[in-house]
Amino acid sequence: GAGVSQSPRYKVAKRGQDVALRCDPISGHVSLFWYQQALGQGPEFLTYFQNEAQLDKSGLPSDRFFAERPEGSVSTLKIQRTQQEDSAVYLCASSSPLAGIDYGYTFGSGTRLTVV
Amino acid sequence: EDQVTQSPEALRLQEGESSSLNCSYTVSGLRGLFWYRQDPGKGPEFLFTLYSAGEEKEKERLKATLTKKESFLHITAPKPEDSATYLCAVQARDNFNKFYFGSGTKLNVKP
Repeated sequence: GAGVSQSPRYKVAKRGQDVALRCDPISGHVSLFWYQQALGQGPEFLTYFQNEAQLDKSGLPSDRFFAERPEGSVSTLKIQRTQQEDSAVYLCASSSPLAGIDYGYTFGSGTRLTVV
Repeated sequence: EDQVTQSPEALRLQEGESSSLNCSYTVSGLRGLFWYRQDPGKGPEFLFTLYSAGEEKEKERLKATLTKKESFLHITAPKPEDSATYLCAVQARDNFNKFYFGSGTKLNVKP
């Protein structure tokens, strides 16, 4: 597609509920990233995929967070037993190694998760 | 520890009133410094990549500069449509899988 697509745009979850957030990267983009952005803050790194391989998950805040990209395209970020502190915007970004970092990464519009 | 500090947190300008946004960084070997623009309800939109001290890049009313410790985003004669949050991020040479972002400067340009 023309851009990075994320769904749903908004998600309200009751505390303790499991949620799944979806990211469709730009077609052909090998690298995929997830970031968490709290209100009034800059995005914070969660995890990185190259194709289907999760090469860095050092930013995942707890073992309740799990990400996958089984076929090297669409990715899902799953949060189990959601807590109020999980409320944030979850951003997905993708990039092509051909473009390098000269053009940065392309971010989606994010999923705003509110845990009540 | 790699980190980025942006100032001011918020900036109000009159249309046509030029100013600068600051990004101070600490990183163990800079691979690149990035400026992004973020509009409400949207993801960050890429503006510039700077690689080494002394480098400058321009795009319309925006000009980004880089020193060994900080970067500036200069806005010349801003227009209301320049209102947004401007984010600065760095990538380290030894771990270029991630950006370290600052908290951003929220710019409001009044007509």
